[in-house]
Amino acid sequence: GEDVEQSLFLSVREGDSSVINCTYTDSSSTYLYWYKQEPGAGLQLLTYIFSNMDMKQDQRLTVLLNKKDKHLSLRIADTQTGDSAIYFCAVTDSWGKLQFGAGTQVVVTP
Amino acid sequence: SAVISQKPSRDICQRGTSLTIQCQVDSQVTMMFWYRQQPGQSLTLIATANQGSEATYESGFVIDKFPISRPNLTFSTLTVSNMSPEDSSIYLCSVSDGLIGNQPQHFGDGTRLSIL
Repeated sequence: GEDVEQSLFLSVREGDSSVINCTYTDSSSTYLYWYKQEPGAGLQLLTYIFSNMDMKQDQRLTVLLNKKDKHLSLRIADTQTGDSAIYFCAVTDSWGKLQFGAGTQVVVTP
Repeated sequence: SAVISQKPSRDICQRGTSLTIQCQVDSQVTMMFWYRQQPGQSLTLIATANQGSEATYESGFVIDKFPISRPNLTFSTLTVSNMSPEDSSIYLCSVSDGLIGNQPQHFGDGTRLSIL
């Protein structure tokens, strides 16, 4: 099955850029996603990238996809305290189902 | 994107009882999914809810424990049956936009379930 791996924790100073990394194993993944989960809340779809793209930018968010290395990253520019949350990488497997990483806890310090 | 409402948002239940969770979408969608998120864990797919047919369950999940209904294109329910403390989790409904497959998935706010 699909394996999706992320680092578990990231600490970043307010105003700096955050980069969250994700690796996956299934090269047939069609969509690759980043979700945000704040404490006590559900999952918010932050952004996604289609597998034929290398990069997608949406305001402070930049997604980079390296298909050769099966590596996905999310960069958050000018990180704010409201960005403190758990960020999940998710990819579609060969059956079209979502496979999630374990989540990266991002803590933004003043 | 579709707006998803889940009820209840949280509940505390006695072991041995059952709880039905509702998921309502504001537009017609083909694909609806139910996930479980155990404390401190990632999400695990329980089943795909298909309109007009039986749900498709993932390995480790069975219909007797997690019966699912999907009576139309905007609504689904998940029942957690004969609950035990191990069932304490967040249960999330998600939908894939529209009536065309392979679209991005959006999630409801989840149901936080604690079993005593």
